[in-house]
Amino acid sequence: NAGVTQTPKFQVLKTGQSMTLQCAQDMNHEYMSWYRQDPGMGLRLIHYSVGAGITDQGEVPNGYNVSRSTTEDFPLRLLSAAPSQTSVYFCASRGKIYEQYFGPGTRLTVT
Amino acid sequence: EDQVTQSPEALRLQEGESSSLNCSYTVSGLRGLFWYRQDPGKGPEFLFTLYSAGEEKEKERLKATLTKKESFLHITAPKPEDSATYLCAVQLGVLTGGGNKLTFGTGTQLKVEL
Repeated sequence: NAGVTQTPKFQVLKTGQSMTLQCAQDMNHEYMSWYRQDPGMGLRLIHYSVGAGITDQGEVPNGYNVSRSTTEDFPLRLLSAAPSQTSVYFCASRGKIYEQYFGPGTRLTVT
Repeated sequence: EDQVTQSPEALRLQEGESSSLNCSYTVSGLRGLFWYRQDPGKGPEFLFTLYSAGEEKEKERLKATLTKKESFLHITAPKPEDSATYLCAVQLGVLTGGGNKLTFGTGTQLKVEL
């Protein structure tokens, strides 16, 4: 099993550009989520999904969009990148005892 | 507001010097408390889940304990490879609206030296 995979690993965007961060898992988990990690702030939940076709907002959803068309994939879209979105983004899926499996992260810089 | 506070922010130990990391929380309706390990440049890796006060879990040199207001991660005779940031997170019960959300602390950065 590859677990949770994320692409790209690094990305630099200019203000106003849009992009999609990809996330896939091969563990057949229903629940998936996106977090951002900033120094001194801890991991903060952006959006989550409890299954294909169902998504909901987390703590910091503004400026981000998600969709879930399959169990395996949960992409995160930045609509119009802003410097405040410079961060490390982690995708995770959740197992049976509510433990989360995190991907390796995407390091995003917005200039 | 639900809060998770970890202390200390950073800890430097000599190899073999046992210590404890603290995670205190001010939430109601706790469903579970989780410990993760994060190495630089990587995603967090799951360590333990604790569900009720008095519960303990062990893995190699690590032991996690839970009371009604805090959790401790005890590290016994640490080795340099235990160096990492340790994160705790809490999940509320479904009835308190938190069934699908984790609240993370900011972590304790542990460095174990030879």
